[in-house]
Amino acid sequence: SYVLTQPPSVSVAPGKTARITCGGNNIGTKSVHWYQQKPGQAPELVIYYDSDRPSGIPERFSGSNSGNTATLTISRVEAGDEADYYCQVWDTSSDHVVFGGGTKLTVL
Amino acid sequence: QVQLQESGPGLVKPSETLSLTCTVSGDSISSYYWSWIRQPPGKGLEWIGYIYYTGSTNYNPSLKSRVTISLDTSKNQFSLKLISVTAADTAVYYCARQGVGGGRFFDYWGQGSLVTVSS
Repeated sequence: SYVLTQPPSVSVAPGKTARITCGGNNIGTKSVHWYQQKPGQAPELVIYYDSDRPSGIPERFSGSNSGNTATLTISRVEAGDEADYYCQVWDTSSDHVVFGGGTKLTVL
Repeated sequence: QVQLQESGPGLVKPSETLSLTCTVSGDSISSYYWSWIRQPPGKGLEWIGYIYYTGSTNYNPSLKSRVTISLDTSKNQFSLKLISVTAADTAVYYCARQGVGGGRFFDYWGQGSLVTVSS
């Protein structure tokens, strides 16, 4: 089965840039989606199809995907960005959904 | 605005069956994929399975032997049944809508329903 690997935690100072990676075998050939989950809340889609932003998501959120790594980039990080972030793909060969293990973003 | 709402017992005894229903409003259930996802306390997201509006299903292999997802188009609802539960099935259970495009991302989620397995 397909596996997605995320770092457990990333820390960043306010105003700086946070990069959260999602590793997978040839993940660049798949569409990657990213979710933000704050404590006690359901996940929220922040990036889909590698780099598209849903309506209402700030332009500070961007995504890229190439080779074996997809990256969620958050520019000018704010305290309100502190959350868990999950990457997700659809494994077409098995028709299964796969989530990464999640990354806790801490704003220092 | 599409809204999803989970409902069902918050406490289930070990070896019994967990049953949850997701009621969809603001859109017809007769399109899209509809999934269940769970999250054990303090842990990550785990996809349980989906049902397509045609009735076709697909499940996470780790749960496949115990899971059934069904659809009631007349009530705009879909449901989850998980048999022979243990403490390891304690989790927040989310229902979510999944697009039909190539990426199959989840664009709408329910608020989540905590189910505790305990005697």
